[in-house]
Amino acid sequence: SAVISQKPSRDICQRGTSLTIQCQVDSQVTMMFWYRQQPGQSLTLIATANQGSEATYESGFVIDKFPISRPNLTFSTLTVSNMSPEDSSIYLCSVGRRDQETQYFGPGTRLLVL
Amino acid sequence: AQSVAQPEDQVNVAEGNPLTVKCTYSVSGNPYLFWYVQYPNRGLQFLLKYITGDNLVKGSYGFEAEFNKSQTSFHLKKPSALVSDSALYFCAVRPLSGGYNKLIFGAGTRLAVHP
Repeated sequence: SAVISQKPSRDICQRGTSLTIQCQVDSQVTMMFWYRQQPGQSLTLIATANQGSEATYESGFVIDKFPISRPNLTFSTLTVSNMSPEDSSIYLCSVGRRDQETQYFGPGTRLLVL
Repeated sequence: AQSVAQPEDQVNVAEGNPLTVKCTYSVSGNPYLFWYVQYPNRGLQFLLKYITGDNLVKGSYGFEAEFNKSQTSFHLKKPSALVSDSALYFCAVRPLSGGYNKLIFGAGTRLAVHP
């Protein structure tokens, strides 16, 4: 499986500010995804990060709030914009390949918004 | 609507005893099925998957899972629990329609193994 790193691992932010989370993979992967895990809850898919084009967002998530970049096959960023306390969550990056069924997850970014 | 149910918020097991963490799903067709584990302050780790074939699949750390198509279940099992197995376990399904990106997760079950 791929080695996935995320930066920062955790952060405490003030409401109204924005935070950009980075996801780096040690090998080229076809698919990259961003998930949110709210406190005490399960994972919800935010969007699929598409290389060289706009991300594909799931229902309830919009580009203005969660802009995503994917400049190449090993790197993606998720920005949480104009944060509020409700954005306090763990944000996880995951990767997959079209010839494999399994998604692998990064260690997550723990975000607390005050 | 497609969904995954993990009916138990928490499962308590004594070390050395067998454990079962339950998962049922409501997804059309024959989805791919997965179990992931999340240790404190860690990301999700892949445990095992069912794609096709033998209904009993084996995975990491001695875990196995049994697929039952008629009951649409995919229960996670281990013959002898360890204290180090204590973690949060997620069942997930990938419907074969709707594109590769759709992993649907259950709510998670916290496993507590007592010495």
